[in-house]
Amino acid sequence: NAGVMQNPRHLVRRRGQEARLRCSPMKGHSHVYWYRQLPEEGLKFMVYLQKENIIDESGMPKERFSAEFPKEGPSILRIQQVVRGDSAAYFCASSPVTGTNTGELFFGEGSRLTVL
Amino acid sequence: AQSVTQPDIHITVSEGASLELRCNYSYGATPYLFWYVQSPGQGLQLLLKYFSGDTLVQGIKGFEAEFKRSQSSFNLRKPSVHWSDAAEYFCAVGQGVQGAQKLVFGQGTRLTINP
Repeated sequence: NAGVMQNPRHLVRRRGQEARLRCSPMKGHSHVYWYRQLPEEGLKFMVYLQKENIIDESGMPKERFSAEFPKEGPSILRIQQVVRGDSAAYFCASSPVTGTNTGELFFGEGSRLTVL
Repeated sequence: AQSVTQPDIHITVSEGASLELRCNYSYGATPYLFWYVQSPGQGLQLLLKYFSGDTLVQGIKGFEAEFKRSQSSFNLRKPSVHWSDAAEYFCAVGQGVQGAQKLVFGQGTRLTINP
């Protein structure tokens, strides 16, 4: 019974390149969340998606960041023209459908982005 | 806006000693409260959660937490720590239980265990 799967686990990019982080939710989960953890800090909410819909993107930077959760395939967090300040651990979490949601998020092991 | 404060950035205790990690929250309605643990290089694992009912909640690995509305606190406790408990601990408050479980995390408390 696979949990939340994230890849790559580690990603190194040079300034100006693009980073794509992927997340496959737990089986049966249709809600996906992305969080960012800067060094020595707690996790900060970025975006909440359901299949083909962005529900809440209040934590997403206005520029260079985008997220999607297509009908088929994993959720993608995309960072264009990366800068050093984007270096962080990006965590994906998932939860079950509305109505059966116990409020618990199930987290993946994170993707650690390093920008040189 | 809701917020979570974990006053202790780093705590060191001896193996076998008792532990209490502090968490204070700010939230207008009845909060949904969580404690997560993060081992180095790993994701977050849920230790326990509080939604309603009994204010003393039991979690995994022998942890418990007590919700005190009057103090806006949700402190995590364990009577006797093990070396494997060394990790980062995060308290979080959630808004909404149906669907959007948007969590606000504290900055974390790093726990070190002395042998």
